[in-house]
Amino acid sequence: GESVGLHLPTLSVQEGDNSIINCAYSNSASDYFIWYKQESGKGPQFIIDIRSNMDKRQGQRVTVLLNKTVKHLSLQIAATQPGDSAVYFCAPLDGNQFYFGTGTSLTVIP
Amino acid sequence: DTAVSQTPKYLVTQMGNDKSIKCEQNLGHDTMYWYKQDSKKFLKIMFSYNNKELIINETVPNRFSPKSPDKAHLNLHINSLELGDSAVYFCASSPLVAGGPSYEQYFGPGTRLTVT
Repeated sequence: GESVGLHLPTLSVQEGDNSIINCAYSNSASDYFIWYKQESGKGPQFIIDIRSNMDKRQGQRVTVLLNKTVKHLSLQIAATQPGDSAVYFCAPLDGNQFYFGTGTSLTVIP
Repeated sequence: DTAVSQTPKYLVTQMGNDKSIKCEQNLGHDTMYWYKQDSKKFLKIMFSYNNKELIINETVPNRFSPKSPDKAHLNLHINSLELGDSAVYFCASSPLVAGGPSYEQYFGPGTRLTVT
């Protein structure tokens, strides 16, 4: 069945702080997840992905954590910068397509 | 050079009209997609084409018809436009890897469609 990344709609953080964006998914069979960043007026852009055989993956300033038991992912952004202001989507893979949902809008306060 | 391009960027039209949105990718990818994003930022797949063949067709009114003249282009034609069609439409592409399309999709800049 459809597995939509469910987010809290908004998050505000102070510049320099760490951000944590949370996502819940519904289909326990989902075994691959991608995080996308969508800046205002632009299309989504790939940030990082994680497979279900991992519980943590790190990129540049970003870390994704996966908890399959409770069907939850988080994206952590270290030392948040103004350029991180965007809508973030977690997209679980369900069958042969990704379900994006609504995303979380991150606002960085200078 | 733009990897995935869409035209037009903005489209304002009246109910009942027919319009097309064009998409081109110069990445050499085999798979292309159309997504719709509503005013609440909800992003949902509409169609997917692999090397000019339709492989995903979500529950979309048949007023929407994708057309892929070659694997670098995927156009979206919409008949009898309705107010609810107002949204941002994104084209995306992904390469083929062993086992199927790569999971990383490259999105275009979007076309903002406003139906009045």
